[in-house]
Amino acid sequence: SQKIEQNSEALNIQEGKTATLTCNYTNYSPAYLQWYRQDPGRGPVFLLLIRENEKEKRKERLKVTFDTTLKQSLFHITASQPADSATYLCALETGGGYQKVTFGTGTKLQVIP
Amino acid sequence: NAGVTQTPKFRVLKTGQSMTLLCAQDMNHEYMYWYRQDPGMGLRLIHYSVGEGTTAKGEVPDGYNVSRLKKQNFLLGLESAAPSQTSVYFCASTLAGTGELFFGEGSRLTVL
Repeated sequence: SQKIEQNSEALNIQEGKTATLTCNYTNYSPAYLQWYRQDPGRGPVFLLLIRENEKEKRKERLKVTFDTTLKQSLFHITASQPADSATYLCALETGGGYQKVTFGTGTKLQVIP
Repeated sequence: NAGVTQTPKFRVLKTGQSMTLLCAQDMNHEYMYWYRQDPGMGLRLIHYSVGEGTTAKGEVPDGYNVSRLKKQNFLLGLESAAPSQTSVYFCASTLAGTGELFFGEGSRLTVL
C-alpha cells in the first residue's frame, strides 16, 4: 500500500538557521507533491506544489525539491523565524487525474529565538 | 470570501446517535474531500467527490456516508456514532487539475 513518511515528528532549530523537512513515499509515482502548513486548532494551508517534471521550486524563504528516483521531497525554510513554528504536512496526489490526495503525518517545527 | 465553511464546529454525541457535518464552499470547486485527523495519524481521507452527484471512498470510509447533491455542498454523515469516530474532521475543496486544497477550520466531534 502507499506510504508517506515525514522524517520526524518534531524538529527544533535556532532562529536564523535553515530548517529542512523530509517527505519520503513508497509504492507510488505521483504527478505532483504539495506542502502545507498547519497551526494548532486550524485547517492546513497550502504552501507549495511541485510537479514530477520539476526538480525545485521556490517561494520567498521556502524551497521544495522533488526527486522522483529517490521518491523523496525536501522542504527548506531559510532564515527561519519563530513565526515559522507550526506543523508541516506533505501531500501526494495518489489517484488518477489529480483526484485523490494523501497526506503524511506531519513534522512539528519549533523555531527557538 | 468565505472559502470553505464547516458546520458545526463542535459536537458531542452519545454512542449510537447520528449526525451530519456540512461543508460548503463558495469557490465553484469541482472536487471536495472529507478528512479526519487524529494524533499521530495525520490526515486520513474518508470520502471524496469529483463533482455534483458523485462520491468515492477514501482510506477510512467505514461508518461514514456522504452526499454531494449540490456542487457547493458536501455532507458527511455518521449513522450510528462510535467512540472510535471521535476526531477532528476537515473538509477541503479544489479546482479540478490545480491540486491546491483549500481547507475549512475543522469540526471537532466527541463520541461518548
